[in-house]
Amino acid sequence: EAQVTQNPRYLITVTGKKLTVTCSQNMNHEYMSWYRQDPGLGLRQIYYSMNVEVTDKGDVPEGYKVSRKEKRNFPLILESPSPNQTSLYFCASSSMTEIWDGYTFGSGTRLTVV
Amino acid sequence: SQKIEQNSEALNIQEGKTATLTCNYTNYSPAYLQWYRQDPGRGPVFLLLIRENEKEKRKERLKVTFDTTLKQSLFHITASQPADSATYLCALDGYTGGFKTIFGAGTRLFVKA
Repeated sequence: EAQVTQNPRYLITVTGKKLTVTCSQNMNHEYMSWYRQDPGLGLRQIYYSMNVEVTDKGDVPEGYKVSRKEKRNFPLILESPSPNQTSLYFCASSSMTEIWDGYTFGSGTRLTVV
Repeated sequence: SQKIEQNSEALNIQEGKTATLTCNYTNYSPAYLQWYRQDPGRGPVFLLLIRENEKEKRKERLKVTFDTTLKQSLFHITASQPADSATYLCALDGYTGGFKTIFGAGTRLFVKA
């Protein structure tokens, strides 16, 4: 089944403790992206990657890091999480060909930083 | 800065009627406009995409229009059903120094039986 898999689904952590949220897709998509979703603000793009070893900042990159060493994986790293990073996070992927059918999203990771 | 506006108020309609949701944008020249459905606690699901040179697109009971002069898209669900109740997100894609996607905050739709 074509899908984007995020782990973990839920995570509670303490301020300053480094964490990684994993994202993997099995569709051979070139493009991958991370979003956070907060009430009333909608989805805001954190980072995106148009292919292996190519990453770029979205609208809210501060406090986050990403890497794209393999096509299928795009982990999101919070080096020193803070309470304002408490949010619902989504990873998404898509093909970059002309026949484009939108993004496939993961099921989300609900992160709480205390 | 680029901005997308969707009606923040929920839309309540009766089963069988047509639901119409609006997406307005400013300071952007999108190459594509997309609509997604999102259920509580779940990831958005892609519904339809329309390109800047297209005026209208249909898929089953769904119809999207795209007016680049008005900077507006309308999303219609005909013969609506209670199962259509969800939040609907509008998203714009374009090349502005990198391929970026911006999403609206969504409009919640309730279809009453």
